Amino acid sequence: LAKTTQPISMDSYEGQEVNITCSHNNIATNDYITWYQQFPSQGPRFIIQGYKTKVTNEVASLFIPADRKSSTLSLPRVSLSDTAVYYCLVRRGSTLGRLYFGRGTQLTVWP
Amino acid sequence: EPEVTQTPSHQVTQMGQEVILRCVPISNHLYFYWYRQILGQKVEFLVSFYNNEISEKSEIFDDQFSVERPDGSNFTLKIRSTKLEDSAMYFCASSRTSGSGNEQFFGPGTRLTVL
Repeated sequence: LAKTTQPISMDSYEGQEVNITCSHNNIATNDYITWYQQFPSQGPRFIIQGYKTKVTNEVASLFIPADRKSSTLSLPRVSLSDTAVYYCLVRRGSTLGRLYFGRGTQLTVWP
Repeated sequence: EPEVTQTPSHQVTQMGQEVILRCVPISNHLYFYWYRQILGQKVEFLVSFYNNEISEKSEIFDDQFSVERPDGSNFTLKIRSTKLEDSAMYFCASSRTSGSGNEQFFGPGTRLTVL
């Protein structure tokens, strides 16, 4: 599976838009890009998944360029409660579901 | 919203003892998983389970570990003889399907402390 690289940490202020970029240079044709969020002492929580172009849900947007070698998770108007670790994962379309988590990006939102 | 539940929330045990961690997956889900996260480390896959058998397991999931779905609702992880290095948060997850389309729902975790 493609290795993912994302920043170790990011800081933001309440009300700002946050964009977390993940690179996955070796992504394969049938791989999907998935993002999870994890609060301290809690299990990861699915945020969004996409294959190409743009996906939006009530929580976030995911931008994937045509070459799919990177993706950007966009969180609009963050609040203090968005402080968490955000994981970018590449998932093979045909796998049985095993998730490979990296170190993720620690997002800290300040008042 | 349906959720995965886990019990206990915290388990303290002596090295060498057996522990059973329990999970109740979401009711219409068919695929079940265990992950663990040592403090300050990555979330690591242990095992996946489907149709009453193990689908995939990682190198961490050695002979000391076993999983079972004893009835229609529970999914358990047993560690036969705990070691100090088994201390971690253990997360159960479930999904309706497998593969790219599936979203895995994680439980709140069980914190296992081995003394």
